Amino acid sequence: EAGVVQSPRYKIIEKKQPVAFWCNPISGHNTLYWYRQNLGQGPELLIRYENEEAVDDSQLPKDRFSAERLKGVDSTLKIQPAELGDSAVYLCASSLDFIQGGEQYFGPGTRLTVT
Amino acid sequence: DQQVKQNSPSLSVQEGRISILNCDYTNSMFDYFLWYKKYPAEGPTFLISISSIKDKNEDGRFTVFLNKSAKHLSLHIVPSQPGDSAVYFCAASGVRLIFGTGTRLQVFP
Repeated sequence: EAGVVQSPRYKIIEKKQPVAFWCNPISGHNTLYWYRQNLGQGPELLIRYENEEAVDDSQLPKDRFSAERLKGVDSTLKIQPAELGDSAVYLCASSLDFIQGGEQYFGPGTRLTVT
Repeated sequence: DQQVKQNSPSLSVQEGRISILNCDYTNSMFDYFLWYKKYPAEGPTFLISISSIKDKNEDGRFTVFLNKSAKHLSLHIVPSQPGDSAVYFCAASGVRLIFGTGTRLQVFP
């Protein structure tokens, strides 16, 4: 069974440029998560989708970040415009459903460097 | 305000010995606690979890202990193997997962 797929794996952009990350979750997983992991920190949740619906986006900086999950499968996370502080690894994860304490399956992440 | 803390950034253990990774939390409302393991250039992978109503959960070489009164949990790996060398994240589950900062474990021969 294929795991969570993310692309690109690495991205270098100049500040004020836009950037987008793509995630394909494990087949059949209804719940999709986007996390941001800063250097030396643990992952922090940005947004959680249940099928097409964003059910927890309270930690998404909505002035510059947006996300979508059309048709309840693939998802895209966008930053526009990017700032130096956005340099981090962006992780996508999925699970069959959202269960407290349930296992989440993570992709390899996209490492973003903003110069 | 860090709700989940891993105060040891790194740990070095000899192969065959016990590795003990520690984690503290501040919110007594967390229902579950999980440990994830992360190799370089890969995403975290689930290792083991424990419900807040239990004090111990064991899976092969991995055991997690929970001390609710102290708001402390620990992961024991016995015996440690070189393949266990990775970064270990403690996470607490409420409405979302809250991760600690991680402990880098190195198991040397």
